[in-house]
Amino acid sequence: SQKIEQNSEALNIQEGKTATLTCNYTNYSPAYLQWYRQDPGRGPVFLLLIRENEKEKRKERLKVTFDTTLKQSLFHITASQPADSATYLCALNNQGGKLIFGQGTELSVKP
Amino acid sequence: GAVVSQHPSWVICKSGTSVKIECRSLDFQATTMFWYRQFPKQSLMLMATSNEGSKATYEQGVEKDKFLINHASLTLSTLTVTSAHPEDSSFYICSARLLASSPYEQYFGPGTRLTVT
Repeated sequence: SQKIEQNSEALNIQEGKTATLTCNYTNYSPAYLQWYRQDPGRGPVFLLLIRENEKEKRKERLKVTFDTTLKQSLFHITASQPADSATYLCALNNQGGKLIFGQGTELSVKP
Repeated sequence: GAVVSQHPSWVICKSGTSVKIECRSLDFQATTMFWYRQFPKQSLMLMATSNEGSKATYEQGVEKDKFLINHASLTLSTLTVTSAHPEDSSFYICSARLLASSPYEQYFGPGTRLTVT
């Protein structure tokens, strides 16, 4: 069956360090993979989209990698700040443009 | 740009009543809108795809007679939870796809918290 798995355990890191979140998937061949940020009681906010023919994408302090052989994406936040504390969701596009979400990883950045 | 609003942001209703949630694209036209449901500490689950001027397409296991979707214009889709029960209590989120964008770009609303007592 198709699965998208993110670390269910919360990630706690110190301010200034790099946070790395993992997204693994099985039985998918997505053309795109996306990362979203979700704050408590709010809808997801789009962060980055990476295409299947791209290995890496950067935006300010964010970096996403996409390995279609390993079926894995890594999401990095460098120089993390307490304001980066949130739940981060990865999502794949299946046929018809539907988004299928992972369960999210909660990140907590301590000052 | 690409702002999506939802109304109300939260609602409490009694079991057996119906509740309508609105999803609007404020500064763009959206031929397609999506409705998701999210339970605490869980992922967003797609409920249905709403296309302007046609019937919604529901995901497997979602009762179309219970979750009525109307996409009356290019900027408005509504979700009506009919005969609500406590198990329908959840966080409902809509998203909208830009009219002429890549098919993979979606913009999410802020969500509506529904509590059924």
